Amino acid sequence: DAMVIQNPRYQVTQFGKPVTLSCSQTLNHNVMYWYQQKSSQAPKLLFHYYDKDFNNEADTPDNFQSRRPNTSFCFLDIRSPGLGDAAMYLCATSGGYEQYFGPGTRLTVT
Amino acid sequence: TQLLEQSPQFLSIQEGENLTVYCNSSSVFSSLQWYRQEPGEGPVLLVTVVTGGEVKKLKRLTFQFGDARKDSSLHITAAQPGDTGLYLCAGVPSPDKVIFGPGTSLSVIP
Repeated sequence: DAMVIQNPRYQVTQFGKPVTLSCSQTLNHNVMYWYQQKSSQAPKLLFHYYDKDFNNEADTPDNFQSRRPNTSFCFLDIRSPGLGDAAMYLCATSGGYEQYFGPGTRLTVT
Repeated sequence: TQLLEQSPQFLSIQEGENLTVYCNSSSVFSSLQWYRQEPGEGPVLLVTVVTGGEVKKLKRLTFQFGDARKDSSLHITAAQPGDTGLYLCAGVPSPDKVIFGPGTSLSVIP
């Protein structure tokens, strides 16, 4: 029944060790988003795909990359995680004006 | 730059009390959305308001869109512990993008 699925729900990585978070959707939406959310703050948009077109936010660090191999899947790669990258990472999809969020991946950097 | 402000930032009330959360912007939006996010989960869309002056009701929640389409309010009647969460308003400047406000963290004490 789940529509936007994120794996894993919890991820622990070491400082500087690359990590990949994954997102899949069953809604067949053409837009997929990645957000970073820190405690008690609003989600911050990192980038989004409109189909295969990648749209990076101006203030997203180069340390964050994304891949969308097909409509259903989207990945967030953090090349060299720092302590400041510890956060909840949310994936969302949209087929129009409404966004559907996954449950998020809580990333811890040690 | 389109920005949204929300007030109050934090709210702690007793079960059964009423409350109102406000969302304001200096910009006009074609629509505004309200999301609720429970701890450890992704935001879930509650409502979209489109027409200036529009009022929508969702059980004990009443949403209003300002006449000038720059502000919105969320009123909860007889709050319950299950209403606890982060309430996010979001402006929709274009079909593939939303701009989140900073959120109002609501705690309803039994």
